[in-house]
Amino acid sequence: GAGVSQSPSNKVTEKGKDVELRCDPISGHTALYWYRQSLGQGLEFLIYFQGNSAPDKSGLPSDRFSAERTGGSVSTLTIQRTQQEDSAVYLCASSEMLDTQYFGPGTRLTVL
Amino acid sequence: DAKTTQPPSMDCAEGRAANLPCNHSTISGNEYVYWYRQIHSQGPQYIIHGLKNNETNEMASLIITEDRKSSTLILPHATLRDTAVYYCIVRLPTNFGNEKLTFGTGTRLTIIP
Repeated sequence: GAGVSQSPSNKVTEKGKDVELRCDPISGHTALYWYRQSLGQGLEFLIYFQGNSAPDKSGLPSDRFSAERTGGSVSTLTIQRTQQEDSAVYLCASSEMLDTQYFGPGTRLTVL
Repeated sequence: DAKTTQPPSMDCAEGRAANLPCNHSTISGNEYVYWYRQIHSQGPQYIIHGLKNNETNEMASLIITEDRKSSTLILPHATLRDTAVYYCIVRLPTNFGNEKLTFGTGTRLTIIP
């Protein structure tokens, strides 16, 4: 079946611009997670959704980062006024009832 | 979550079984052992998980010692596409509110033609 999909696969933007990253979870998965991974680094947890609500937003690096999920399905991660340190691969994962997480291919964000 | 220790790198000949060890001596009774891998420039891929019984699926086998302090991931017939960084994670069931995955440094497995 279809896995987690993310778009765009690559995004190059200028410092100060806003970007929106999209995640389509596996159909029927109630939980959705956002992570980021800088070059050669481990996973950094950002936020997770159970349904449309986000019980824990403490992983978001700053108030420039926000995420929403509508209809219990698609989620968008928005980064406002991007900075060069935001450059990373942004990964989305989904799971059934907070069980095993399945990852998407990621969005590689480059801020010039 | 319990800390895990893995060798930083391993080589395996193509077609042979790749055995990747993981130590988790501080594992608690209700923590699971999970394995993921990450092929270069791709998202992490779930492989297998288990609690105390050995597990097998279409990708791999997971052997957990009786005391649960270590485990081995076995790829029975390694191919070049199995070259990746393999992560061993020990974590509580997610209904304990443990939603975050934390990867250590993992083992970089290189399959040699």
